[in-house]
Amino acid sequence: DAGVTQSPTHLIKTRGQQVTLRCSPKSGHDTVSWYQQALGQGPQFIFQYYEEEERQRGNFPDRFSGHQFPNYSSELNVNALLLGDSALYLCASSLRGLQETQYFGPGTRLLVL
Amino acid sequence: EDQVTQSPEALRLQEGESSSLNCSYTVSGLRGLFWYRQDPGKGPEFLFTLYSAGEEKEKERLKATLTKKESFLHITAPKPEDSATYLCAVQGPGGGNKLTFGTGTQLKVEL
Repeated sequence: DAGVTQSPTHLIKTRGQQVTLRCSPKSGHDTVSWYQQALGQGPQFIFQYYEEEERQRGNFPDRFSGHQFPNYSSELNVNALLLGDSALYLCASSLRGLQETQYFGPGTRLLVL
Repeated sequence: EDQVTQSPEALRLQEGESSSLNCSYTVSGLRGLFWYRQDPGKGPEFLFTLYSAGEEKEKERLKATLTKKESFLHITAPKPEDSATYLCAVQGPGGGNKLTFGTGTQLKVEL
């Protein structure tokens, strides 16, 4: 049973550039959420996708956008990168429902120089 | 706004020395409280979900309990391989499944 996968594992970008991160959910899951985890902090919720639409959003600017594909995989796009965007970006998948557990991928480590 | 506070920030134990980690939360209408384990540079690994006060769950040397204001993760006779950061998260009311995390407790178990 394949778990949540993310790509790439590491990425280095320059301020002002744009980046796209990818996520494939755990087999059988239909909902994808993205989190940002700064060093020494807990993950912070960015947004959630279900049925190819953004369903819930945290306190992140519009520079952060996403997409979900018909096969439930998802992308996170960040435009106009800032130094403060350097973090571990985590994707979590779950089944649509009120109390469903989210399972996390290994993350993508983004460094903005 | 949902809030989660974990204590202590860091904990060093000798192998076999049992202890507890605390997670205090403020949320209007708790739908679920989650415990995850995170190793350095990796994604959180799911441990437990608790839904209502009084509920308890166990897995190997770990036991999670829940009250109306806090949750405890009890570690019995820990081993060095239990060393990790333990994260607590709450899921509040609403149609989505946003998790609000604490900053974690970094556990180090020494021989």
